[in-house]
Parts: sequence; structure tokens; C-alpha cells
Amino acid sequence: GAGVSQSPSNKVTEKGKDVELRCDPISGHTALYWYRQSLGQGLEFLIYFQGNSAPDKSGLPSDRFSAERTGGSVSTLTIQRTQQEDSAVYLCASSFRGGSDTGELFFGEGSRLTVL
Amino acid sequence: AQSVTQPDIHITVSEGASLELRCNYSYGATPYLFWYVQSPGQGLQLLLKYFSGDTLVQGIKGFEAEFKRSQSSFNLRKPSVHWSDAAEYFCAAQGAGGGNKLTFGTGTQLKVEL
Repeated sequence: GAGVSQSPSNKVTEKGKDVELRCDPISGHTALYWYRQSLGQGLEFLIYFQGNSAPDKSGLPSDRFSAERTGGSVSTLTIQRTQQEDSAVYLCASSFRGGSDTGELFFGEGSRLTVL
Repeated sequence: AQSVTQPDIHITVSEGASLELRCNYSYGATPYLFWYVQSPGQGLQLLLKYFSGDTLVQGIKGFEAEFKRSQSSFNLRKPSVHWSDAAEYFCAAQGAGGGNKLTFGTGTQLKVEL
């Protein structure tokens, strides 16, 4: 596609349920990031995938959070046993790393998660 | 720890006035530096970036930023603000050399008074 696509755009769930958020990066982009944006907060880094390297999971807030990237393309962020504090907008971004790392990220419009 | 600080949470300027948004970073070595803008209901868009070389970088929409190593700063400026510039602005840094995560500041919300 032309840009980074995220689904669902909005998700309302009950506390304790599991949710899956999907990200479809720009074709050819090898790097993929997940960030969380809470009201009044900045962008909190969650996880970073780069090609076939082991992902940088240093930003995941708890073991309830996990993410995978299949075939070097689509990524799924899973939150188990959701809590109210998980309510936020989850942003996905991708970038191309060629001979030089431009570092420019292209962001999706986010998935807004509301945990009741 | 690596960090990016944006000391101003909210800034209000009059249309036509000049603008400066502050950003400071704390990294072991000079990182790559970026400014992104997030307009209401839209995704983040890159305004400009600094890797090396000329310390004054030009971006889109008439924005520029100046890298000052001595102050560990990368402030964003615009000579004359337009009402459409009202948005949230994020400074970000990435460890040089590639393969490193991008760390964002907490953002500055810009309000433009007509």
C-alpha cells in the first residue's frame, strides 16, 4: 500500500480481555516500530523490528505485551489481560534501511484502544 | 540513559509571530535528530532531520532547526507562524550508526491565536 496501515482504528474492550492490533508497513521497509501515545504523554517506545535481527523489546511495559512480525512484513501487537492503563493510541511506523540509515519513520494513523 | 527533553508542554503564539520550540537531548555521542509534527486527527509527519554537516537544517512548511552541540540542543524555528501550524510537535533522537531505536520527547502543543 501507499502508507502504513493499522487496524482496527478503534477498539473498545473490557478489562481482562486480550486484544490484537495489526500493522501493515510500507512495502520494502525493513524496520518496524510500535509506539504508545497516552493522553498528555509523548510517544513511548515499545518494540523495534529490523530485518531478521532479534527485536528490541526493551520498551514493552510488562509481559502482558508481545509482538511478532511475520515474513518480515505484517506485525501484530498483542496485549493480554488488558488493564485500564493500557488505554492509549498505539502507533506503528516503518522505515527503509538501505545503504545508509535515514532513520525517517513513516507512521500509521494509529489504533485507539479503550479498556473499560 | 538516552533521553530527549522538550521543556515546553504548551506554547501559544499569534499568527505571523515567530516561533521557537526547544529540544534538548542526552546521548553519549551526537545522535541523529528529528522533528515531527502531529496535526489533529492525523499521523506524524517528518518536518526535518539532522545527521551531520551544516548545523542549520531546512525542513518542510517553512520550518528550520539549528543543532548546537555545546548546548545539546536542536531547537525548531519558524519566522512567521500560520494558523495551520497549530499542532503537536515532537523532537526525536536516534543513536548514530543505525540500528537504534528512535526516542521521542513528550511533545509541545502549539496553539496559534488569530
